[in-house]
Amino acid sequence: DTEVTQTPKHLVMGMTNKKSLKCEQHMGHRAMYWYKQKAKKPPELMFVYSYEKLSINESVPSRFSPECPNSSLLNLHLHALQPEDSALYLCASSQGEAGRYSNQPQHFGDGTRLSIL
Amino acid sequence: LAKTTQPISMDSYEGQEVNITCSHNNIATNDYITWYQQFPSQGPRFIIQGYKTKVTNEVASLFIPADRKSSTLSLPRVSLSDTAVYYCLVGNNNAGNMLTFGGGTRLMVKP
Repeated sequence: DTEVTQTPKHLVMGMTNKKSLKCEQHMGHRAMYWYKQKAKKPPELMFVYSYEKLSINESVPSRFSPECPNSSLLNLHLHALQPEDSALYLCASSQGEAGRYSNQPQHFGDGTRLSIL
Repeated sequence: LAKTTQPISMDSYEGQEVNITCSHNNIATNDYITWYQQFPSQGPRFIIQGYKTKVTNEVASLFIPADRKSSTLSLPRVSLSDTAVYYCLVGNNNAGNMLTFGGGTRLMVKP
């Protein structure tokens, strides 16, 4: 069992739909992350939130919109996605912002497998 | 940019010790070395982290030479359930100072 919970586990959507991915952690971590992982590839960083503020946006297209309502929750809003956006979307959290302040390891959820029709 | 290089894949047999080496020639002074394990359809799981010399926990050991330009993850007596992808990461001192996953090593443990 993971301490980072992601919902839904699977999502199929059309290119004109709007949907949201959700991530929750109750470890008191103040840094949260979104990664995208294609099959047989390593995870690629998309966004970082530190103390509920967007810290890093790795040049992600605007059809992906992150939101951090509070320190325990992280959302990823999806709109007008393309078939190439089909992937496993991973959420992670860490006590500090990994690599910047504390090198704290990240705790990952098991992801949302997204398929775009 | 502290890029990492690992073997793409490795094979082993149950009960053997497995050593996976990661090269990180441009590691920065303040960077730590972190290893993660990932099973199919799951998120990566933290295994071990170190800065220099040797670190050991209940799962693995991490050996880091004095120049810190490489590191070796050692898994003692592997079992079939250790079949996974293993990622080596170092702190990235580029503008974002974030951790970047390299290609990873796909370990296959055979009976």
